[in-house]
Amino acid sequence: EVQLVESGGGLVQPGTSLRLSCAVSGFTFDDYAIHWVRQAPGKGLEWVAGISWNSGNIGYADSVKGRFIISRDNAKNSLFLQMNSLRAEDTALYYCAKDGGYHNFWYFDLWGRGTLVTVSS
Amino acid sequence: QSALTQPASVSGSPGQSITISCTGTSSDVGAYNYVSWYQQHPGKAPKLMIYEVTNRPSGVSNRFSGSKSGNTASLTISGLQAEDEADYYCSSYTSRSTPVFGGGTKLTVL
Repeated sequence: EVQLVESGGGLVQPGTSLRLSCAVSGFTFDDYAIHWVRQAPGKGLEWVAGISWNSGNIGYADSVKGRFIISRDNAKNSLFLQMNSLRAEDTALYYCAKDGGYHNFWYFDLWGRGTLVTVSS
Repeated sequence: QSALTQPASVSGSPGQSITISCTGTSSDVGAYNYVSWYQQHPGKAPKLMIYEVTNRPSGVSNRFSGSKSGNTASLTISGLQAEDEADYYCSSYTSRSTPVFGGGTKLTVL
């Protein structure tokens, strides 16, 4: 069974850091690019960051560039998102989403259930 | 990167057809055949319905179809059913080598 399981979310104060993880099973992890997509409460989807199969192509949304770092460990079938200098506007449900391709960022064909990040004092 | 433009809401009666538009620019929708569509029911994760403008993943009903003309992509749902009531999002690859989503459309089945 294909699974993407996010973890690491929680309630944190503005200016602090948090590290999200996504554990993948059921497909060959290192054959595909993979992403973080977030959804603020009651709002739409926002692409956050993506990483190609070999980490050679990495991209970020302008809203998180310089604060968030995406990485992957193909040996452990895991994706990560290091979130620094968190702001209230980063409050959202963070989804891990598999790409249909391996290098560029085409489309999201499998999604996890998400992990909730709340940034509040 | 600005979000793609979708109508906030659309509605239709069971059995009817509806179309949701997704308008971008010559730097995204108009430039690439990498437009995709996602269905999201309340409290659930999004589900891929259409990829590469017109392709349906295995298991998605053939009542769902996609098209593109210029800078505007469209999702058409024919034979509308109650279970189709959900939020729908489009996405496109962009000239910045990153994807962008539309603002989302709430589909109501009357």
